[in-house]
Amino acid sequence: EDKVVQSPLSLVVHEGDTVTLNCSYEVTNFRSLLWYKQEKKAPTFLFMLTSSGIEKKSGRLSSILDKKELSSILNITATQTGDSAIYLCAVEADAGGTSYGKLTFGQGTILTVHP
Amino acid sequence: GAVVSQHPSRVICKSGTSVKIECRSLDFQATTMFWYRQFPKQSLMLMATSNEGSKATYEQGVEKDKFLINHASLTLSTLTVTSAHPEDSSFYICSASDGGGADTQYFGPGTRLTVL
Repeated sequence: EDKVVQSPLSLVVHEGDTVTLNCSYEVTNFRSLLWYKQEKKAPTFLFMLTSSGIEKKSGRLSSILDKKELSSILNITATQTGDSAIYLCAVEADAGGTSYGKLTFGQGTILTVHP
Repeated sequence: GAVVSQHPSRVICKSGTSVKIECRSLDFQATTMFWYRQFPKQSLMLMATSNEGSKATYEQGVEKDKFLINHASLTLSTLTVTSAHPEDSSFYICSASDGGGADTQYFGPGTRLTVL
């Protein structure tokens, strides 16, 4: 059974701090790893990672995949109160020849950023 | 970006009744739609995958007769929770894909179902 584990489960920081969120996985037929931000409702897409060692960056957020260690990290620098959300990691596995893969989600990390 | 809507956003119903949740892709054609449920402080769990015009594929442990999925058009999928019970209370989220990779799976805002 495919499994995705995130840590920590929750994190409380102050504005300006840097945070690192972790995601590890055990998945058959790995295709990609995705990070999402969920603020009360729909998860919004942040990054999709397919290759090891290549950092993806968007503003203050960055992420990297380590396929040898079966893990990924999401970094947020100079955190702001607007970064408070649940951060979800999902791993896509091949679904038998289809263009889409099945997503298995981790339990999420609840990030709270205080002013 | 692509927009996916869900209706209703929240619903309260009595035990034993059926509830229908709609998922619509507003500005693209969704060849595939996915239905998830999310319990408080827990992850999204995939319930089923539906392709337009064909039967849904249900994940192990999901009762297909209880959670009826219809994907009648390229912009609409519905999930009907039949004979709802309190344990069905959850947050149901759909996502829609235009046939591209996983990064083209766009999520709806979710429906909060409470069964009394």
